[in-house]
Amino acid sequence: KAGVTQTPRYLIKTRGQQVTLSCSPISGHRSVSWYQQTPGQGLQFLFEYFSETQRNKGNFPGRFSGRQFSNSRSEMNVSTLELGDSALYLCASSLAEAGSYTFGSGTRLTVV
Amino acid sequence: SQQGEEDPQALSIQEGENATMNCSYKTSINNLQWYRQNSGRGLVHLILIRSNEREKHSGRLRVTLDTSKKSSSLLITASRAADTASYFCATVLKTGANNLFFGTGTRLTVIP
Repeated sequence: KAGVTQTPRYLIKTRGQQVTLSCSPISGHRSVSWYQQTPGQGLQFLFEYFSETQRNKGNFPGRFSGRQFSNSRSEMNVSTLELGDSALYLCASSLAEAGSYTFGSGTRLTVV
Repeated sequence: SQQGEEDPQALSIQEGENATMNCSYKTSINNLQWYRQNSGRGLVHLILIRSNEREKHSGRLRVTLDTSKKSSSLLITASRAADTASYFCATVLKTGANNLFFGTGTRLTVIP
């Protein structure tokens, strides 16, 4: 079966711009989560969506937002980009509550 | 802050040797999971151990969990060069939130 697909794989943006990242979960998985990975802060939870509703949110500023569509595909948006937003953004989907996650390959965002 | 800390931060061993990584966490958990990451790519789920389990095996992997000490260990037996990667523990808390709290990771290098 197809895995979690994230697009694009790489992105370069300028400070102040905004960016939208996309994630298609495994078919049948209704929970989609987003994580940010940086060398300094490690892997940090951004938010989780389930059936188009944000169920949980990490400790990130309001510039970070997301949504989930009826087909479970999810997008995250970062507005007014800062240099510190440069990171690997990972999407993960899960079938069961408190179960294991399948991660996508990530989107590498570089803010210049 | 991250839920877990891993030890050691880096580990270098010869092919065929065993590798042990340790993870400590801070609050009560529903389960603890181990993931592997190759060179900044997506994470691959290895094994999940529930809070009422003490030990679990999967192929060459052995995971232990000590909830009284809030710690877990991952043992990889008969290591191979292909096991070279970063390994992360991640916890799902008992609070009911369905997101992962990641440890700091252990960078394992297996020398052929």
